[in-house]
Amino acid sequence: AQSVTQLDSHVSVSEGTPVLLRCNYSSSYSPSLFWYVQHPNKGLQLLLKYTSAATLVKGINGFEAEFKKSETSFHLTKPSAHMSDAAEYFCVVTRMDSSYKLIFGSGTRLLVRP
Amino acid sequence: GAGVSQSPSNKVTEKGKDVELRCDPISGHTALYWYRQRLGQGLEFLIYFQGNSAPDKSGLPSDRFSAERTGESVSTLTIQRTQQEDSAVYLCASSFVVAYQETQYFGPGTRLLVL
Repeated sequence: AQSVTQLDSHVSVSEGTPVLLRCNYSSSYSPSLFWYVQHPNKGLQLLLKYTSAATLVKGINGFEAEFKKSETSFHLTKPSAHMSDAAEYFCVVTRMDSSYKLIFGSGTRLLVRP
Repeated sequence: GAGVSQSPSNKVTEKGKDVELRCDPISGHTALYWYRQRLGQGLEFLIYFQGNSAPDKSGLPSDRFSAERTGESVSTLTIQRTQQEDSAVYLCASSFVVAYQETQYFGPGTRLLVL
């Protein structure tokens, strides 16, 4: 079965320092992987997605993620955190039998200190 | 509108009452999804509509939950005889499938509290 594990429930960084949000997936096939961001009282917004093209995926707001099949990882990074990046981030994988069924990780809350 | 909209944004109800949640997808999107997000957790898939095909209801947690969609427009999620464990944020998403790659666009959600 497919699944995703977000290794940290909370990550705290200082403004201007790098961000690393970790995600490991479990899948017996080549999955599609996504990162979504959820700001308070707002809908989920797609940051980026991997669909078996380039392994380094660039998204919005300066975020990027690298698909590493050998490590079954899809970590989200950003070189320099901004206060507006504070939000909940979800790593998501699609199911093999139904590509429309998204399987969400439990989320990582990013805190950005001034 | 420009995005997926949902109403109401918040709903407080008493245990045992029925509630109806509404979703307006992005115009032209053929697929519509409902998810549930419990506090501190990721989203759980509930139901999927695609055009005129039979909906995939495999994620509905019990027969108290049902959803309808008229054509490729508005959808309503109904929860009958609500229970306290139904308290959650209910999110709707829509998408337009292009070359088997689709991006789901989410609404802001309806926060349901069952007392």
